[in-house]
Amino acid sequence: KQEVTQIPAALSVPEGENLVLNCSFTDSAIYNLQWFRQDPGKGLTSLLLIQSSQREQTSGRLNASLDKSSGRSTLYIAASQPGDSATYLCAANVGGSRLTFGEGTQLTVNP
Amino acid sequence: AAGVIQSPRHLIKEKRETATLKCYPIPRHDTVYWYQQGPGQDPQFLISFYEKMQSDKGSIPDRFSAQQFSDYHSELNMSSLELGDSALYFCASSSPGSGTEAFFGQGTRLTVV
Repeated sequence: KQEVTQIPAALSVPEGENLVLNCSFTDSAIYNLQWFRQDPGKGLTSLLLIQSSQREQTSGRLNASLDKSSGRSTLYIAASQPGDSATYLCAANVGGSRLTFGEGTQLTVNP
Repeated sequence: AAGVIQSPRHLIKEKRETATLKCYPIPRHDTVYWYQQGPGQDPQFLISFYEKMQSDKGSIPDRFSAQQFSDYHSELNMSSLELGDSALYFCASSSPGSGTEAFFGQGTRLTVV
């Protein structure tokens, strides 16, 4: 059974700082790994999708990496802004179907 | 661009009542997924459909059922509601092919009183 863990559970940083969110998964036989953003009580916004054959994906200030052999993914956020404050969830896709989510990292960027 | 549409956005029901949640996937997406997110928890997979057939089943209670219709929209039917069913219910859809990106709707917040 796939298990996904995210560290840290919460993170508070000053505006402008670069930061890294960590995600680990137990089953390396994944199809892909997806990073989401969730604002309180809101839906899930897909940020980046990394296929199992890829090492990293970039979108604007976001960069996600994937290391299947070690069961790890990281989300790098450059030059953080208060608007980046949200919960960030990673989810592993095993079997090409369901996503298994981590518990999320609650990020606060202070002005 | 069209997104996944869920209705209703909010729903309040009493214990033992029934509820029906609807999901309209992105056009040309053939796979629909349902997830349940309890307060302070991560989303848990319930069930998925591919081309109108159930493709995967997770931790969906026997009191719940779902189906995907010919126009690819899906409905989640929940009966004998319990207080613990109060949660945010998400629908997601993806395009043909294994391991394609899942796009989520805004969710339906169900409150059971």
